[in-house]
Amino acid sequence: NAGVTQTPKFQVLKTGQSMTLQCAQDMNHNSMYWYRQDPGMGLRLIYYSASEGTTDKGEVPNGYNVSRLNKREFSLRLESAAPSQTSVYFCASSVLDREYEQYFGPGTRLTVT
Amino acid sequence: GENVEQHPSTLSVQEGDSAVIKCTYSDSASNYFPWYKQELGKRPQLIIDIRSNVGEKKDQRIAVTLNKTAKHFSLHITETQPEDSAVYFCAQGGYNKLIFGAGTRLAVHP
Repeated sequence: NAGVTQTPKFQVLKTGQSMTLQCAQDMNHNSMYWYRQDPGMGLRLIYYSASEGTTDKGEVPNGYNVSRLNKREFSLRLESAAPSQTSVYFCASSVLDREYEQYFGPGTRLTVT
Repeated sequence: GENVEQHPSTLSVQEGDSAVIKCTYSDSASNYFPWYKQELGKRPQLIIDIRSNVGEKKDQRIAVTLNKTAKHFSLHITETQPEDSAVYFCAQGGYNKLIFGAGTRLAVHP
C-alpha cells in the first residue's frame, strides 16, 4: 500500500497563476483533509471531506477550492495564487469517526513569487 | 471558535531528562485529544491520543493527561533520547476534523 500520495512535491508559481494539488489514498478511508503548514503556525485545516460527496470549510478556506473526485481522491485548487499562499501543503485521510488518527501524505512545497 | 494553544514553542532538554508539553483547548464538546510527532522534513505521525472520558494514558516512555474541567491536556516524555527530537503537535478532535496547536520544537541534547 502506498498510503497517502501527493503530487507534485514541489511547485513554484507566479502571482495570479492557478494550479491543482492532487491527493490520493489507497486505505479505503472515508475522510480526507487538506492542511497548510507555516513556520510557527502549526497545521491549519483548509478544507475537509468527511465522506465522499461532502466537503466543508476548515480554519483557512479563503483562496482555495476543493473537489472530492471519488472516495480515493481529494484535490485542492488555487485559482489565483498569492504570495501569502506560499506554504507546505499536506493531505491526510482517516476512517470516518476516527479523525484523531489521520494519515498524512509527504507534502507539497509551494512557493508563490 | 475552536482554538488550541500550545506551550512552550521550543523546549531543549538533556538526554535522559523528562519533557512536558501543555495544550489548552476551547471546545468543551471535543472528544479526542491526539498528539502528533513530525521529524524534520517528514510528515506528521500520530504517537498517542486520549479520549475525553479518560484522565491519563501511557505508552512506554510517553504519557498524556487530560483535565476536562480546566480544558487542558499534556504530553509527558520520560528518559528522553536524541531520536525524540522533533516538532510535536497537540490537537482537539470532534465533528470529523482536528484543530492543531502551533507545535513545540523539542531538542534533546546528548
